[in-house]
Amino acid sequence: QSVLTQPPSVSAAPGQKVTISCSGSSSNIGNNYVSWYLQLPGTAPKVLIYDSDKRPSGIPDRFSGSKSGTSATLGITGLQTGDEADYYCGTWDSSLSFWVFGGGTKLTVL
Amino acid sequence: EVQLVESGGGLVKPGGSLRLSCAASGLIFTNAWMSWVRQAPGKGLEWVGRMKSKAGGGTADYATPVEGRFTMSRDDSKGTLYLQMNSLSTEDTAMYYCTTDRVQLWRGNYYYYGMDVWGQGTTVTVSS
Repeated sequence: QSVLTQPPSVSAAPGQKVTISCSGSSSNIGNNYVSWYLQLPGTAPKVLIYDSDKRPSGIPDRFSGSKSGTSATLGITGLQTGDEADYYCGTWDSSLSFWVFGGGTKLTVL
Repeated sequence: EVQLVESGGGLVKPGGSLRLSCAASGLIFTNAWMSWVRQAPGKGLEWVGRMKSKAGGGTADYATPVEGRFTMSRDDSKGTLYLQMNSLSTEDTAMYYCTTDRVQLWRGNYYYYGMDVWGQGTTVTVSS
């Protein structure tokens, strides 16, 4: 059971928008920075979002992040078949004193 | 461009030990905070631990499942991070990724944003 809760799967059609939620608590999301990671099949993860809503250079603005209270959300617009992947949220947990990941969400672009 | 290359994975028997290495290039390694993250076959990501830069304190933090068994260290002169893994069990079977971490120093305080660049990983299999 992950400390951060993500839906196991989401799906949407090409060109549409999808959001992936990440729910936590005051000891993690509520008081720390959230990152989002993309893992394409058979490859290493890559950071999409850090500090809840910032994109590293090279990440297209189709990807966005937000945080409200103890939840965070990843948004992806203009879906492409190449976006099919697993997406993970992560943050520091101040009570556990270590980094925690969500269980991951598999995105299917129908 | 930052590049991380992990090595040292392999097959080991339960109760055995293994040392992983992560060779970093394209960054000022002395200033880097680094982490190890693992992923069991078919499972999600699991943070293993992080090591702060010497300027940041040089200490390591570990996830509960590995604390007391795994030890991180670094050789700044070689730009290399290590993970010494002892008392291995089948539950430690996973792909092990090395990462650089995004950290900001502002007004004397470090702000930690998590994993940034990831290596390609090295596979550890614990089996009799």
